[in-house]
Amino acid sequence: GENVEQHPSTLSVQEGDSAVIKCTYSDSASNYFPWYKQELGKRPQLIIDIRSNVGEKKDQRIAVTLNKTAKHFSLHITETQPEDSAVYFCATNPDSNYQLIWGAGTKLIIKP
Amino acid sequence: DTEVTQTPKHLVMGMTNKKSLKCEQHMGHRAMYWYKQKAKKPPELMFVYSYEKLSINESVPSRFSPECPNSSLLNLHLHALQPEDSALYLCASSQHEDGTYEQYFGPGTRLTVT
Repeated sequence: GENVEQHPSTLSVQEGDSAVIKCTYSDSASNYFPWYKQELGKRPQLIIDIRSNVGEKKDQRIAVTLNKTAKHFSLHITETQPEDSAVYFCATNPDSNYQLIWGAGTKLIIKP
Repeated sequence: DTEVTQTPKHLVMGMTNKKSLKCEQHMGHRAMYWYKQKAKKPPELMFVYSYEKLSINESVPSRFSPECPNSSLLNLHLHALQPEDSALYLCASSQHEDGTYEQYFGPGTRLTVT
């Protein structure tokens, strides 16, 4: 079945710097790639997603890139702010499975 | 209204108790989900309802019993739970069940089994 690996497990960056989180997947039929943010004690919330017919998508300081050949997708956060501190989960939806397969999560720490 | 609500926020129950978790959405979503989340782990899918019918059961023990009374409500009935069932239980909804639509999560119920 589909497997999603997410790296790093913890990322600490200085406020104002950029952060990049990467996920790799195994099923070439995967066609949807969302990123969820979960602040401490809060619910997961979708922050950005990308579909397999698109290589990059941006929303203000957040961007996601997809490399279908290499089977990886990445979350880019620029000009990081304290409110970006959270756990970020990547996920994918293999064509043969109606469920989301989640990565293990990345704890992003923004240092003041 | 783009919010999923869950009650209760916290629940402590003994291994012989019976309790229920409740979830509600008024976004007209046709798919609703129950997830279990342990600390520092991603959400783990338990059940999926599509058009009020159970479509996915991820081999969840029978001590967890889901129910979908109508298109806006989702319940999770609990009985004879084990301490290892202590976790955050999240409800979510989406337009359709095929996994390619945003899932809106509720705030969760923090369950402790003593």
